[in-house]
Amino acid sequence: NAGVMQNPRHLVRRRGQEARLRCSPMKGHSHVYWYRQLPEEGLKFMVYLQKENIIDESGMPKERFSAEFPKEGPSILRIQQVVRGDSAAYFCASSPLGGSAEAFFGQGTRLTVV
Amino acid sequence: AQSVTQPDIHITVSEGASLELRCNYSYGATPYLFWYVQSPGQGLQLLLKYFSGDTLVQGIKGFEAEFKRSQSSFNLRKPSVHWSDAAEYFCAVGGVYNQGGKLIFGQGTELSVKP
Repeated sequence: NAGVMQNPRHLVRRRGQEARLRCSPMKGHSHVYWYRQLPEEGLKFMVYLQKENIIDESGMPKERFSAEFPKEGPSILRIQQVVRGDSAAYFCASSPLGGSAEAFFGQGTRLTVV
Repeated sequence: AQSVTQPDIHITVSEGASLELRCNYSYGATPYLFWYVQSPGQGLQLLLKYFSGDTLVQGIKGFEAEFKRSQSSFNLRKPSVHWSDAAEYFCAVGGVYNQGGKLIFGQGTELSVKP
């Protein structure tokens, strides 16, 4: 049973470009969480999704950021028109249930905006 | 407001010495509590968790943590540190099922181990 898979592991984008980060949850997991880790900081919750539904997006910046978790395929975190301040590590976690059942984390995508 | 505080940003201990990492939380209800470890450039690995019951929980790699409701604390301990324990440690708090389950993390404690 493969773990949570995130790709790419490293992503470099120029200011103004779009970044797409993918997360394939563990088999059988239908709950996905995205977190952002800025340099020298802890992880901050961004969004919680179930298949085809956004459950809680209270941590998402109001502009340029969006997330989806389609019926088929991975969850996508999309950042439009990236700026230097978007440089961070983005982690995805998946869980078989909602709530605080143990969530398993992927290895993250490290986004660098140049 | 819900929050997690890890007062120590960086701790250095000698190999073989005991370790205690502090974690205090502020939460409106009985929390679910977690400790994660992150090695450089890696994701997070769960060390242990507390949901209910015995307030002293055992985790992987010889770690344990004690939930003290009166002190709103969930400190992580290890009796004898190994060089491979050098990493960053995060305490996190989560809610019960009907609150969506998102985790609130502390800022982390970086652990260095001296030979």
